[in-house]
Amino acid sequence: DAEITQSPRHKITETGRQVTLACHQTWNHNNMFWYRQDLGHGLRLIHYSYGVQDTNKGEVSDGYSVSRSNTEDLPLTLESAASSQTSVYFCASSSELASNTGELFFGEGSRLTVL
Amino acid sequence: DAKTTQPPSMDCAEGRAANLPCNHSTISGNEYVYWYRQIHSQGPQYIIHGLKNNETNEMASLIITEDRKSSTLILPHATLRDTAVYYCIVRPRSYNTDKLIFGTGTRLQVFP
Repeated sequence: DAEITQSPRHKITETGRQVTLACHQTWNHNNMFWYRQDLGHGLRLIHYSYGVQDTNKGEVSDGYSVSRSNTEDLPLTLESAASSQTSVYFCASSSELASNTGELFFGEGSRLTVL
Repeated sequence: DAKTTQPPSMDCAEGRAANLPCNHSTISGNEYVYWYRQIHSQGPQYIIHGLKNNETNEMASLIITEDRKSSTLILPHATLRDTAVYYCIVRPRSYNTDKLIFGTGTRLQVFP
């Protein structure tokens, strides 16, 4: 079955380190998204991509970057991790086809702790 | 400003219908109402969506008022497994991703 997977599921790092969270989907969806979730804030959009070589900033993009070199993957990089980036990160994908419901398919999340 | 307004929490007895309201008074004509839920710390799961007609699927029913300024998600026979946070979002059918803001949702607690 097609799926969307995130890795690692849990990560502890130190302030200032570079961290990359992987997201891989096998649906061949063009649209991919990264969210973070913190208590009291719901899900907030970090970055998104509509296809290969396309990336866009969401509402909380400072300190994060993404790249889209193929359809299946959208890695999220924290260039210099900060304690404020301790959070649970969710990747999602969707199809742009008109016949689709437009729903987002989410991964299981990556819990990042920055000490 | 928030696009949708939901009560922070609700309770429901197992086996009864759970009715979760959502206010979206500034919804535009091309915007759909989508509902997702998030069980514990899992990724959110799509439930249902609609434009102006009521919709039903195997998970739930969606009732949208005639003026489209509010909607209600109905879980007809709630079970303990329906305990989750329910998110109502509005967005165009084709993406304008500044609309993909989930907010804090309604925490539904189903009790025995």
